Amino acid sequence: DVKVTQSSRYLVKRTGEKVFLECVQDMDHENMFWYRQDPGLGLRLIYFSYDVKMKEKGDIPEGYSVSREKKERFSLILESASTNQTSMYLCASSSPRVDANTEAFFGQGTRLTVV
Amino acid sequence: RKEVEQDPGPFNVPEGATVAFNCTYSNSASQSFFWYRQDCRKEPKLLMSVYSSGNEDGRFTAQLNRASQYISLLIRDSKLSDSATYLCVVNPLHASGGSYIPTFGRGTSLIVHP
Repeated sequence: DVKVTQSSRYLVKRTGEKVFLECVQDMDHENMFWYRQDPGLGLRLIYFSYDVKMKEKGDIPEGYSVSREKKERFSLILESASTNQTSMYLCASSSPRVDANTEAFFGQGTRLTVV
Repeated sequence: RKEVEQDPGPFNVPEGATVAFNCTYSNSASQSFFWYRQDCRKEPKLLMSVYSSGNEDGRFTAQLNRASQYISLLIRDSKLSDSATYLCVVNPLHASGGSYIPTFGRGTSLIVHP
């Protein structure tokens, strides 16, 4: 069974803290993504990576950074957490091949609360 | 204009009803299309892929109209367990690395009642 695993289901952090959200996939996918999901706004892309050490900004990268040192792991970093970063964070991975079914597989999500 | 647009609903239907959701997308270079289902406080999961020829999986039928940049999902004989949010997903080709980037609509909420 394919798997994308996020390190925490629930996190509570204080304003100003540096926060690390970890994601690991076992499908040997090149592509990995970080989204946040907020009521009424849907899933918005924060960052994505199409290869080790490669990263691209998504639609809402401000206040975030990412790290992809190994193919299976993609980390999202909140440099200085703020209350407006309270959200559900979803990691996903997919194959980039045009002849493959390029569906995205998701982790179970991390619900982050910044107080 | 948002890349993928869906009516947020909610669609409130009785058991046994037929319900249809629509989705439009703006990027004509999009190559693959999906419907995902998301239950409350859970991650999205693939419901079905969408092909130009149309495809059916039991009570679910998906259609793609490339000329109109339009995707649909039809659910027949609705069950209580179909209550969820349905997300339209379009994969436009991103210039960097030649990768496809899953782009989500905001989702359509379906409530099936007895």
